[in-house]
Amino acid sequence: QVQLVESGGGVVQPGRSLRLSCAAAGFTFSTYAMNWVRQAPGKGLEWLAVISYDGINKYYADSVKGRFTISRDNSKNTLYVQMNRLRAEDTAVYYCARGKGGNYFFADHWGQGTLVTVSS
Amino acid sequence: DIVMTQSPDSLAVSLGERATINCKSSQSVLYSSDNKNYFAWYQQKPGQPPKLLIYWASTRESGVPDRFSGSGSGTDFTLTISSLQAEDVAVYYCQQYYGSSWTFGQGTKVEIK
Repeated sequence: QVQLVESGGGVVQPGRSLRLSCAAAGFTFSTYAMNWVRQAPGKGLEWLAVISYDGINKYYADSVKGRFTISRDNSKNTLYVQMNRLRAEDTAVYYCARGKGGNYFFADHWGQGTLVTVSS
Repeated sequence: DIVMTQSPDSLAVSLGERATINCKSSQSVLYSSDNKNYFAWYQQKPGQPPKLLIYWASTRESGVPDRFSGSGSGTDFTLTISSLQAEDVAVYYCQQYYGSSWTFGQGTKVEIK
């Protein structure tokens, strides 16, 4: 079955960097677009970024453009997000999500999420 | 950016009764090229990730009970739970895809009356 497992979260000081990973299993990772979505404590969902199946095309929400970088390693079945210049408002649970049918449009499988807390 | 506005923010419905959630988009998500609405509904239970319920505005995801249905087109969409069950207590989000990005509605919390 499809499995997505995020890791790399934790407590980080404002202005520092963090890289999250999402390990995929149970499907042909290299044929699916992948997304990052976050959810601040007690708040709604916020889409952050998407990457095409081959890693060539990447798109970002304005809120993280220039600070976050999405990438993937299809040989390792792993999705990443590099988060730089972190702010308190980046505190959230970060989910990776698979694009349904390999496309960008919707997400049919989500990981359990990893919590990032930005605090001094 | 397209803004998605859900209504109501919360609702309480008796078991077995109908629950209706609305979502309005600030611009049309109906693509004329393929006549599809790039619109979905998700369910999120406490402590869990979101789960895809409906996509293309009205197509039920595999395994989703048929008491869940989606309707609407263009800018106005509705999620209906025809007979609310205890396991349907959750927050429901609408989502649109446009211009290689997504936006979500603010969420609607569904509870048992």
